[in-house]
Amino acid sequence: EVQLVETGGGLVEPGGSLRLSCAASGVSVRSTYMSWVRQAPGKGLEWVSVIYKDETTYYADSVKGRFTISRDNSKNTVYLQMTSLRAEDAAVYYCAREVPVTGHFDYWGLGTLVTVSS
Amino acid sequence: DIQMTQSPSSLSASVGDTVSITCRASQSVSRYLNWYQHKPGKAPKLLIFEASTLQTGVPSRFSGSGSGTDFTLTISSLQPEDFATYYCQQSHSTHTFGQGTKVDIK
Repeated sequence: EVQLVETGGGLVEPGGSLRLSCAASGVSVRSTYMSWVRQAPGKGLEWVSVIYKDETTYYADSVKGRFTISRDNSKNTVYLQMTSLRAEDAAVYYCAREVPVTGHFDYWGLGTLVTVSS
Repeated sequence: DIQMTQSPSSLSASVGDTVSITCRASQSVSRYLNWYQHKPGKAPKLLIFEASTLQTGVPSRFSGSGSGTDFTLTISSLQPEDFATYYCQQSHSTHTFGQGTKVDIK
């Protein structure tokens, strides 16, 4: 059974940094694509970033240059390093497994809440 | 960037009703269109991928159709557990979600 567990959310001041983690079980993060998707309060889902098997990465325009996705194969964990945080980055951040080629997200975590406020 | 527009943004329905949600892409996404159900406090759930393929374990009352720019999610004989928000997502060029359709009880 595939499980994805996000941690690392919390309260951060505007301009601050935070690192989110997504610990995977039942799937090898090095053998698939892993994405981060977020949902701001009262808003819809927004794709944030993906890391491919070959470690190629892509980002939404809204976070490009500020967020970095990475993984640790030995820990089977994917990370999202977030810097220069803004009020509009406040959201629940979900980790999701992306099926290569078709691009759908078949497994999701429960999410971790990031609050950006002074 | 490809924009996705869902309609309606919300609808009210009764148990047993058939409801349809449409999703329109700003340019062709071929059949790279997926549908999700999301309930508050829960992880989003994949319902349909590649426009019309039912995810394993999803009830057959859910169905999807379309290709190119116009897609439809249909829920036949709505059940109490189906009241939720539904999102389409294109995976033709990175990813974009529609704004969501909230289905609530009439």
